[in-house]
Amino acid sequence: EAGVTQFPSHSVIEKGQTVTLRCDPISGHDNLYWYRRVMGKEIKFLLHFVKESKQDESGMPNNRFLAERTGGTYSTLKVQPAELEDSGVYFCASSQEGHLTDTQYFGPGTRLTVL
Amino acid sequence: AQSVAQPEDQVNVAEGNPLTVKCTYSVSGNPYLFWYVQYPNRGLQFLLKYITGDNLVKGSYGFEAEFNKSQTSFHLKKPSALVSDSALYFCAVPSNNDYKLSFGAGTTVTVRA
Repeated sequence: EAGVTQFPSHSVIEKGQTVTLRCDPISGHDNLYWYRRVMGKEIKFLLHFVKESKQDESGMPNNRFLAERTGGTYSTLKVQPAELEDSGVYFCASSQEGHLTDTQYFGPGTRLTVL
Repeated sequence: AQSVAQPEDQVNVAEGNPLTVKCTYSVSGNPYLFWYVQYPNRGLQFLLKYITGDNLVKGSYGFEAEFNKSQTSFHLKKPSALVSDSALYFCAVPSNNDYKLSFGAGTTVTVRA
C-alpha cells in the first residue's frame, strides 16, 4: 500500500510569488490534514478535510493560504503571495476513520524556502 | 486544551545503552497519546500509540512506551539503542473535540557508536 505522498519535496521561491503544494493521501482515507513546522518550532495544525469538505481550518494563519480537496482525493495548499515567515516544512497526513484514536500517517513533507 | 511537553531538547546515549525520551501530558478525559519519529530528510513516521489497556505499549523498531497515569507521563523507551535510532522524536495528543494533533517541541536523539 502506498503511503502519503507530497510534491514537491523542496520549493524555493521569492517573496511575493505563489507556490502550490500537493498531497496525495493513502487510498481510501477520507481524512486529510495539513500541518507545518516553521523555523524549527513546534509542528502546528493547519486544517482538516473530511472527503472534500473542510472540517476544521482554525490553524490557517491568514487568507494568503488556500487549501482545496476537489473530489475528495488529493489536496493542494496554495500560498499567495508568499512571505518570508512562510518558510518551513509542510506536512500532510491522512487517516481512515475520523476518531481520536485513529492514527494519522504523514507524508515526507515539502520544505518551502521563501527568499 | 490537550497538550504534551517534551522536557528535553536533546538526548545523547551510547549505542547499546537504554534510550528514554520523555513526554508528559495534560489532558481532560481519556488520554490518547502518540509517538512519531522523523529520521533525517524523511517525513514523520508513526511509532506507537496509547489508547487504553496495558500501560506498556509496544511499537515499531523495537520501541515501547510506558503510560503512567499518576505521573501523567508517556515516556518512549528502547532497551538497547542503535546508531540508526538517531532522529527527531515527537510526542502528540489529539484535541478533545476534533482530531488535530498537538505536538511536543521534539527531542533530538543522538546515539554514538
